[in-house]
Amino acid sequence: AQTVTQSQPEMSVQEAETVTLSCTYDTSESNYYLFWYKQPPSRQMILVIRQEAYKQQNATENRFSVNFQKAAKSFSLKISDSQLGDTAMYFCAFMKLRDDKIIFGKGTRLHILP
Amino acid sequence: GAVVSQHPSRVICKSGTSVKIECRSLDFQATTMFWYRQFPKQSLMLMATSNEGSKATYEQGVEKDKFLINHASLTLSTLTVTSAHPEDSSFYICSARVVRASRNYNEQFFGPGTRLTVL
Repeated sequence: AQTVTQSQPEMSVQEAETVTLSCTYDTSESNYYLFWYKQPPSRQMILVIRQEAYKQQNATENRFSVNFQKAAKSFSLKISDSQLGDTAMYFCAFMKLRDDKIIFGKGTRLHILP
Repeated sequence: GAVVSQHPSRVICKSGTSVKIECRSLDFQATTMFWYRQFPKQSLMLMATSNEGSKATYEQGVEKDKFLINHASLTLSTLTVTSAHPEDSSFYICSARVVRASRNYNEQFFGPGTRLTVL
């Protein structure tokens, strides 16, 4: 069975700073997808970034980038130049290839302070 | 594109009544939808996979007779919480899968959720 672990329940950083959210996972699969989802106070789940395990290059989306270490089964999210609108719950998630079931971590609550 | 709606956004009901929650894909067809449950300050737990025209597949520990799922069309899945009790109070989220023939990955889009409170 796959598991996703987020060891930081809550974090706070000042606006404009860079913050890194940690995530580790466990799987015996060799091909899979990893995600970071954002859930703001509105509770709407928003896909932040996706990484295919068979791609060595780390995914980036504007201010968001990941550090994907496949051997270590680590998938951290870096938010650069953090903004007040980044305040949200962030979930790391896993999905096997050709399987649509998403397994979520427990989440990290991120507060961006003015 | 790829918008998913849920109705109602919040509902309060008395213990013992049944509540129906709708999940609609507004601008695409979804043969597969998913229902999640989220307790306060916790993660999303997959309850069931809803397949158009066939029976839903429930995750281990989820009561089929308690949480009835119907996926009667390519744009609508419903979750009915039968004989609701206070412990069923939670935030229910659906997602719909977009199938893209040109890609290996079928992205899921999430609805805004429904807050159920059972008194």
